[in-house]
Amino acid sequence: GENVEQHPSTLSVQEGDSAVIKCTYSDSASNYFPWYKQELGKRPQLIIDIRSNVGEKKDQRIAVTLNKTAKHFSLHITETQPEDSAVYFCADNSGGGADGLTFGKGTHLIIQP
Amino acid sequence: DSGVTQTPKHLITATGQRVTLRCSPRSGDLSVYWYQQSLDQGLQFLIQYYNGEERAKGNILERFSAQQFPDLHSELNLSSLELGDSALYFCASSAHRANTEAFFGQGTRLTVV
Repeated sequence: GENVEQHPSTLSVQEGDSAVIKCTYSDSASNYFPWYKQELGKRPQLIIDIRSNVGEKKDQRIAVTLNKTAKHFSLHITETQPEDSAVYFCADNSGGGADGLTFGKGTHLIIQP
Repeated sequence: DSGVTQTPKHLITATGQRVTLRCSPRSGDLSVYWYQQSLDQGLQFLIQYYNGEERAKGNILERFSAQQFPDLHSELNLSSLELGDSALYFCASSAHRANTEAFFGQGTRLTVV
C-alpha cells in the first residue's frame, strides 16, 4: 500500500539551533502534506501544511518545503526552543481514497538546553 | 481545545469483549476520521465518514465497524477484542472531504487485558 517514510526517528539539537525532518511519499496522486506535533499524552495538532501547487511555506520559525518530482517534503524549525520538544509526524492524503491521512512513523525531537 | 470530543478517555476491558467509542466532531464539520495509534504501528487511518456516509477505508479490521449519525457524531465499535487492539484511538474532524486541516480529539486509551 501507499506509505510515508520519515527520518530521523530521533533528533537531538541544541537550543537555538535548527532542526530538519524529512519525509518521502510514494503515491503520486498525493496533493496535501500536513505536519502534526504531538506532545506526550496529548492529541496531534497541525503546525503547518502544504499543498502540491506550492514549493515552500513559512510560518514564523517553521517552514515546509515540497519537491514533487522527488516525492519528498521537509519540515524546518529554526531557533529551536524547549517547547519544541515533541514527536512530529508528517503525512500525506494517500490514506484510503485520498481523504484519510497516511502518517510517517514520527520523529522524536529533543531540544537540549 | 480542538472542539472534537471523545468519550470515554480510558477504557479497560477483557479479551473477547466489545466496546463502543464515541466522537463528537467540531460544530459544522461534516467529515469524521478514526485513527489508531500504537507504539509499533504508529498512527494508522481506520475509516472516514462524510455527512453520514462512509467515504474512505484504511487499515480497519473486519472486527471493527463505525457509523456516523444524523447529528454527525460517530461511533467506532470494536468487537472480539484481542490484546493487540490495545492502543490510543483518535477521532478527527474536518470541514470538507479532503485537503483541509483535521482537528484531533484527545483520544480514547483502550487497554485489553
